[in-house]
Amino acid sequence: EAQVTQNPRYLITVTGKKLTVTCSQNMNHEYMSWYRQDPGLGLRQIYYSMNVEVTDKGDVPEGYKVSRKEKRNFPLILESPSPNQTSLYFCASSLSGVHGYTFGSGTRLTVV
Amino acid sequence: EDKVVQSPLSLVVHEGDTVTLNCSYEVTNFRSLLWYKQEKKAPTFLFMLTSSGIEKKSGRLSSILDKKELFSILNITATQTGDSAIYLCAPPTGGTSYGKLTFGQGTILTVHP
Repeated sequence: EAQVTQNPRYLITVTGKKLTVTCSQNMNHEYMSWYRQDPGLGLRQIYYSMNVEVTDKGDVPEGYKVSRKEKRNFPLILESPSPNQTSLYFCASSLSGVHGYTFGSGTRLTVV
Repeated sequence: EDKVVQSPLSLVVHEGDTVTLNCSYEVTNFRSLLWYKQEKKAPTFLFMLTSSGIEKKSGRLSSILDKKELFSILNITATQTGDSAIYLCAPPTGGTSYGKLTFGQGTILTVHP
């Protein structure tokens, strides 16, 4: 089944403790992207990647890192999480930037 | 700076009504506009529009793009309670890569029985 898989689905962590949210797609898509969704602020793009080793900032990249070492994987790294990074995170992939994205099921992160 | 504005922000209707959702945009190097439906989970893809005046249709949902006036509409006819969701639009941008995706605030549609 064609899908984008994110892990974990839920995560509670403490301020400053490094964490990684994994994302994997099985559709051989070139483009992958991370978003966060917050009440009243909508869905905002954090980072995107157009291919292996090619990434660029979205609208809210501060406090996040990404890497694209393999086509199928695009992990999101929070080196030193803070409470304002408490949010619902989505990973998504697309054949190309102009086509529709397939979203993962989301990761609800709470930083205390 | 890219700008995407959706209206209305919220809409409450009864089953059977027809609704029209609006998305206006200001982006450089426009290539396409994407519509999504989000229920209590991840957004699901509805339509990709690239050409003015050509209607895309899927069941009771349809959408059209006006590249001259920089807007798109999403129509839902004979609404059902299952249409209750947030509807989002976004035009891919980001130079020639088109990897950047700025979503509008969304329209929250509530359909009462």
